[in-house]
Amino acid sequence: GAGVSQSPSNKVTEKGKDVELRCDPISGHTALYWYRQSLGQGLEFLIYFQGNSAPDKSGLPSDRFSAERTGGSVSTLTIQRTQQEDSAVYLCASSLRTGGRTDTQYFGPGTRLTVL
Amino acid sequence: AQSVTQLGSHVSVSEGALVLLRCNYSSSVPPYLFWYVQYPNQGLQLLLKYTSAATLVKGINGFEAEFKKSETSFHLTKPSAHMSDAAEYFCAVSDTRDKVIFGPGTSLSVIP
Repeated sequence: GAGVSQSPSNKVTEKGKDVELRCDPISGHTALYWYRQSLGQGLEFLIYFQGNSAPDKSGLPSDRFSAERTGGSVSTLTIQRTQQEDSAVYLCASSLRTGGRTDTQYFGPGTRLTVL
Repeated sequence: AQSVTQLGSHVSVSEGALVLLRCNYSSSVPPYLFWYVQYPNQGLQLLLKYTSAATLVKGINGFEAEFKKSETSFHLTKPSAHMSDAAEYFCAVSDTRDKVIFGPGTSLSVIP
């Protein structure tokens, strides 16, 4: 596809369950970002990948959150033992270069996660 | 540490009126600045970005922003609002290699 895609678009889960969110970046984009957007809030940086490595994991809110990227392409964000405060829209973005300061990030449509 | 503030979480303007969305930044090094827009039920997309070339930056859909170092500002303007401009607007700053910090966003409503 031409843009960043994310799946699922919506996910409803019960408290305590694990969830996996997927991001397919634009082909050839080496940098990949995960953000969280809570209701009425801005974008909260979670993690950044350069290729398959994650130089910056500082935004992950707790050890229940983890992410991986394989083949320099698809990335999966996993939330274990979900809590109600995890409810948010999770956005993925990719950029062409190495995450340089002037890079334009291209965003996916997001995954809306609801934890009951 | 870098940060971004956006004055006004919600702005309403009449159709045809000037749009002014405010953004102030804090950065320990010369910043690169961005405005992104999020239309209802869509992903974010880049409106424009400042990369130290020209202080007045023109973007898509008639928007522009001016970098003012003395005021640490990067306000977004459009001379005449259109109904299709109703969206959430995010200012962002990049002053380290790998991270972009987004502001809390401003929701723009356009009144017919």
